[in-house]
Amino acid sequence: EAQVTQNPRYLITVTGKKLTVTCSQNMNHEYMSWYRQDPGLGLRQIYYSMNVEVTDKGDVPEGYKVSRKEKRNFPLILESPSPNQTSLYFCASSLKLTTNEKLFFGSGTQLSVL
Amino acid sequence: QKEVEQDPGPLSVPEGAIVSLNCTYSNSAFQYFMWYRQYSRKGPELLMYTYSSGNKEDGRFTAQVDKSSKYISLFIRDSQPSDSATYLCAMREEGFQKLVFGTGTRLLVSP
Repeated sequence: EAQVTQNPRYLITVTGKKLTVTCSQNMNHEYMSWYRQDPGLGLRQIYYSMNVEVTDKGDVPEGYKVSRKEKRNFPLILESPSPNQTSLYFCASSLKLTTNEKLFFGSGTQLSVL
Repeated sequence: QKEVEQDPGPLSVPEGAIVSLNCTYSNSAFQYFMWYRQYSRKGPELLMYTYSSGNKEDGRFTAQVDKSSKYISLFIRDSQPSDSATYLCAMREEGFQKLVFGTGTRLLVSP
């Protein structure tokens, strides 16, 4: 089944404790992206990657890191999480966003930073 | 001012009603317009995709784009309780690798 898989679904952590949210897609997609979703603010892009070893900042990259060492994986790293990073996070992928290809989303990771 | 504005709702309608969901935007360079549906505790899924102006119909769903007014709409005919979800509009400029999303409108269809 074609899908984007994120783990974990729920995560509670404390300020400053490094964490990684994993994202994997099985569709051989070139484009991958991370979004956060907050009430009243909608979906905002954190980072995106157009292919292996190619990443770029989105609208809200501060406090986050990403890497794209393999085509299928695009982990999101919070080196020193803070309470304002409490949010619902989505990973998404697409064959190529600049053509008529849809964006597939994962099921989300609800992160709480205490 | 946000680049894309969308009424958060909730919009409550009885089963069988025609639903109209809308977004306005400020960036005249947007060329690609999408509607995503998001069920509770799930990721968004693409519902409709339109390039530039005009209408597109798919079953009970019709997407309209009016670029002169910077206004897009999604119509749902014969609404069903299973249509209860949050509907997000999204837009993209030609050649850009980023979708700009509205905040979403929550729709509730009661039996």
